[in-house]
Amino acid sequence: DADVTQTPRNRITKTGKRIMLECSQTKGHDRMYWYRQDPGLGLRLIYYSFDVKDINKGEISDGYSVSRQAQAKFSLSLESAIPNQTALYFCATSDVGQGVGYTQYFGPGTRLTVL
Amino acid sequence: KQEVTQIPAALSVPEGENLVLNCSFTDSAIYNLQWFRQDPGKGLTSLLLIQSSQREQTSGRLNASLDKSSGRSTLYIAASQPGDSATYLCAVRLPAGANSKLTFGKGITLSVRP
Repeated sequence: DADVTQTPRNRITKTGKRIMLECSQTKGHDRMYWYRQDPGLGLRLIYYSFDVKDINKGEISDGYSVSRQAQAKFSLSLESAIPNQTALYFCATSDVGQGVGYTQYFGPGTRLTVL
Repeated sequence: KQEVTQIPAALSVPEGENLVLNCSFTDSAIYNLQWFRQDPGKGLTSLLLIQSSQREQTSGRLNASLDKSSGRSTLYIAASQPGDSATYLCAVRLPAGANSKLTFGKGITLSVRP
């Protein structure tokens, strides 16, 4: 089984709809991240969480919100989706152990299309 | 602000060739640098991580080097194979004690021709 899973894997929705993307991990990591990937722009950080009580904005958090329901779960919400939020969304985790140097592990991605 | 550049954006080579992928970053005060592989429509897979105190890391046919002072890293792929075709991204992490986020390059799309 995959260590980092994302649901759904694909989603098509309409402008103005509320959407939630979910991420679960079995790696036992404290740190979790949400990124979006757009052609020509690379990966950009939306939100990150260092533990259940710690949520931080990334470089492009406007229009998004997150919830860290448990150490293993980190959800990303689009309260009112717009077409320029069409992108590939990735969840990632990392450990704080000194030995692993904060290696990030990525989920398989969610392809979101907003019409 | 840290910026990470990967040039060229795409590369096509014949099978069997040894090749080097380049990554440059503007702020040399990094904690570590990580190379990832991404297959089309898929997530990122970590290939190698180099701590700021290290000069290189090796895994199989892959060797990554780091020259912090010049703001450069290279990923060397020996005896390339068609299965190596993918996009390769490098990412640098700010020093520990900062917000610990990764800054990614846009990636190099590699095509290895049989």
